[in-house]
Amino acid sequence: DTGVSQDPRHKITKRGQNVTFRCDPISEHNRLYWYRQTLGQGPEFLTYFQNEAQLEKSRLLSDRFSAERPKGSFSTLEIQRTEQGDSAMYLCASSLEARKQFFGPGTRLTVL
Amino acid sequence: AQSVAQPEDQVNVAEGNPLTVKCTYSVSGNPYLFWYVQYPNRGLQFLLKYITGDNLVKGSYGFEAEFNKSQTSFHLKKPSALVSDSALYFCAVRSSNTGKLIFGQGTTLQVKP
Repeated sequence: DTGVSQDPRHKITKRGQNVTFRCDPISEHNRLYWYRQTLGQGPEFLTYFQNEAQLEKSRLLSDRFSAERPKGSFSTLEIQRTEQGDSAMYLCASSLEARKQFFGPGTRLTVL
Repeated sequence: AQSVAQPEDQVNVAEGNPLTVKCTYSVSGNPYLFWYVQYPNRGLQFLLKYITGDNLVKGSYGFEAEFNKSQTSFHLKKPSALVSDSALYFCAVRSSNTGKLIFGQGTTLQVKP
């Protein structure tokens, strides 16, 4: 399968713990996006990379959130000191330049 | 600021009937508009896009969308609905600078046999 993959698919954690998610984009895609989707809402943009450079971050991305794409391939999204309000589906998408975005299956985070 | 609105939380249609899922947009400049579909516990799947050209855009699974500049709308349509079309549908506009997508709140489509 050559689509976008995300790991893990589900994560349950206790409030205050740190979590890290991984996204593997389609191999030739130079852009990688992270979105967050809460129940009953559309996905909201968090941040995006062009190759290894993080070019934009949403105001939704508080200081507890950090994203990296060290070699311009896979990306990680870390949430420190998780809060119940962080419970959501975290979606990753990739594209070649600003063309059509292909989405991964998402990581569903539940913070107890 | 760019935005899209989907005025209906849910649309119900009978199988075999035509369906319409509504979307209106607000952008400065030329709009780049998209429709995505989401099945339960799955990521978003691309249906179709409007960048420029013909106002009627054809996409995957028999869906099409009509771009109307005067009404700032981009409604999704299908001539004959299938039960398997039941899903959550999102309209989105793309930022011309970054490529990020700005989504509507989604419309649940229920197609009943």
